[in-house]
Amino acid sequence: DTEVTQTPKHLVMGMTNKKSLKCEQHMGHRAMYWYKQKAKKPPELMFVYSYEKLSINESVPSRFSPECPNSSLLNLHLHALQPEDSALYLCASSQADQETQYFGPGTRLLVL
Amino acid sequence: QQQVKQSPQSLIVQKGGIPIINCAYENTAFDYFPWYQQFPGKGPALLIAIRPDVSEKKEGRFTISFNKSAKQFSLHIMDSQPGDSATYFCAASRSGGSNYKLTFGKGTLLTVNP
Repeated sequence: DTEVTQTPKHLVMGMTNKKSLKCEQHMGHRAMYWYKQKAKKPPELMFVYSYEKLSINESVPSRFSPECPNSSLLNLHLHALQPEDSALYLCASSQADQETQYFGPGTRLLVL
Repeated sequence: QQQVKQSPQSLIVQKGGIPIINCAYENTAFDYFPWYQQFPGKGPALLIAIRPDVSEKKEGRFTISFNKSAKQFSLHIMDSQPGDSATYFCAASRSGGSNYKLTFGKGTLLTVNP
């Protein structure tokens, strides 16, 4: 089983809203990632968690706040987003000592 | 600085053709090279990956060719089908402190006509 699940599939929010994206995997992976993908572009790494600790933050604005409550769950809390933050947000996971990353289906976010 | 250059940007082939997508990298520390397939509105799916100690790897209709001296690798899709129409991304990463970071190419939009 190489499934990473993400909820919701679609999200529309205003610039003053607070919302959260959720990612879950049950493959025993200890590294989890958030990516942002704009149309016709490759995924851009935002955050990496390793063993539930934040290990990489790619200079992401503070309006994006990641959280890893346990080894299977990864959240991305959103607050005061801008229209340019509209994108497909992808979660991925991997074994902590292996490079192979498995992606979820993504959450399509629209900020109005 | 783009560390993985992918070409072509788009590619159209007829069913049964063999599309070839090429990637070139600059960082000689890269030692893992995956290819991802992405359909519209979906997440990227790992297709096949290779390490520099082999020159070719096949999985089903998909083949990676790797040229370490030229710092190039390519994806070949044998007997392509309309269902293969998708965007393909090559990527590279290195073991060690930054082994979590995949550097992606810009992607190739493949269309396979019936």
